[in-house]
Amino acid sequence: ETGVTQTPRHLVMGMTNKKSLKCEQHLGHNAMYWYKQSAKKPLELMFVYSLEERVENNSVPSRFSPECPNSSHLFLHLHTLQPEDSALYLCASSQERGLDYGYTFGSGTRLTVV
Amino acid sequence: DQQVKQNSPSLSVQEGRISILNCDYTNSMFDYFLWYKKYPAEGPTFLISISSIKDKNEDGRFTVFLNKSAKHLSLHIVPSQPGDSAVYFCAARGGADGLTFGKGTHLIIQP
Repeated sequence: ETGVTQTPRHLVMGMTNKKSLKCEQHLGHNAMYWYKQSAKKPLELMFVYSLEERVENNSVPSRFSPECPNSSHLFLHLHTLQPEDSALYLCASSQERGLDYGYTFGSGTRLTVV
Repeated sequence: DQQVKQNSPSLSVQEGRISILNCDYTNSMFDYFLWYKKYPAEGPTFLISISSIKDKNEDGRFTVFLNKSAKHLSLHIVPSQPGDSAVYFCAARGGADGLTFGKGTHLIIQP
């Protein structure tokens, strides 16, 4: 048990569907992150939340919409995705944004867009 | 443009020998470096880190070396064990927002 739980573990969705990824941490951390891992590419930072405040990331398409209702929960809402959005989506948390602590990652959601 | 580069997609090492994983970076503003280990179907787990004010950090079988002038760091694992077979990610921090990761190196420990 890593302390960061992601659900679902696997998701297959059509391009017209709307779905949400969920992340929950029980570590008392106050910063949470969404990363995307595509094949043969580095982990890409998508969104950062610190103390439930979102740091804007203009390079992420608007079909990805994050939500952080409290410091323990983070969602990624998905709508009208493209096949190239198929990837492993990883959630992570840390004690504080930007400090010298290793992030704790969840196991990820393997997303396939068909 | 990749700011953190791991140029070896895979590395095969015999059990008991030393494994050396390399990482290069381009951003001189990075001030903290981390190594993560990832098994299939699991998220990355933190392994070891080093601040830019140091050139070496050791933790058991794992040692990270940092050469700031060359913008290069390496992870040494000795002796290598079968359980070390995994993908290793190098990551760097250069500001307040998240870490920048390399593509990873798949380490295979052969018996």
